[in-house]
Amino acid sequence: AQSVAQPEDQVNVAEGNPLTVKCTYSVSGNPYLFWYVQYPNRGLQFLLKYITGDNLVKGSYGFEAEFNKSQTSFHLKKPSALVSDSALYFCAVRRLGGYNKLIFGAGTRLAVHP
Amino acid sequence: GAGVSQSPRYKVAKRGQDVALRCDPISGHVSLFWYQQALGQGPEFLTYFQNEAQLDKSGLPSDRFFAERPEGSVSTLKIQRTQQEDSAVYLCASSSPGGEITPDTQYFGPGTRLTVL
Repeated sequence: AQSVAQPEDQVNVAEGNPLTVKCTYSVSGNPYLFWYVQYPNRGLQFLLKYITGDNLVKGSYGFEAEFNKSQTSFHLKKPSALVSDSALYFCAVRRLGGYNKLIFGAGTRLAVHP
Repeated sequence: GAGVSQSPRYKVAKRGQDVALRCDPISGHVSLFWYQQALGQGPEFLTYFQNEAQLDKSGLPSDRFFAERPEGSVSTLKIQRTQQEDSAVYLCASSSPGGEITPDTQYFGPGTRLTVL
């Protein structure tokens, strides 16, 4: 069965500091991995995805994520956090086959303090 | 349109009422998905359409839930005899076809927040 774990309910970071939001996954076969961000009363906005190739994926708003197959992880990172990055972040996985259905983690709330 | 739109944005229903939630996908997107997001949780898959064909409805929680996309564009999610446990945000997403090799990005609408009293 496919699953995604986001072990931290909340991550707190000071503005200007680097941030990491953790994600681990379990899927049979090759994983396709995604990060989405959700602002209050808004839908999910796509940040980045890993399909194949370079393990470091760059996405929107300065975010990047590193795919680590041996650790089955896909952590989201940003070198310098902004207060405006404060939001709810979701990691999702899809496996080959299954009509592109995404399996989401429970989400991690990122709070960036001035 | 520029993005996925959903209506209404908010819906309050009395227990036992029927509701209909609408999704307008991005123009030209073949694939359409419905997800249910309970409070404090990640979205959970409900159903998937490719054009007008409903290819996967494995996530629909009961036979009170029904979805359609008759002309391969706009989709409607209908919930009959609503129950309190149906209270959630219902998200619609669309994507263009990419096949198995390059799964396409799903773009989400703002959601419909359903509250069943």
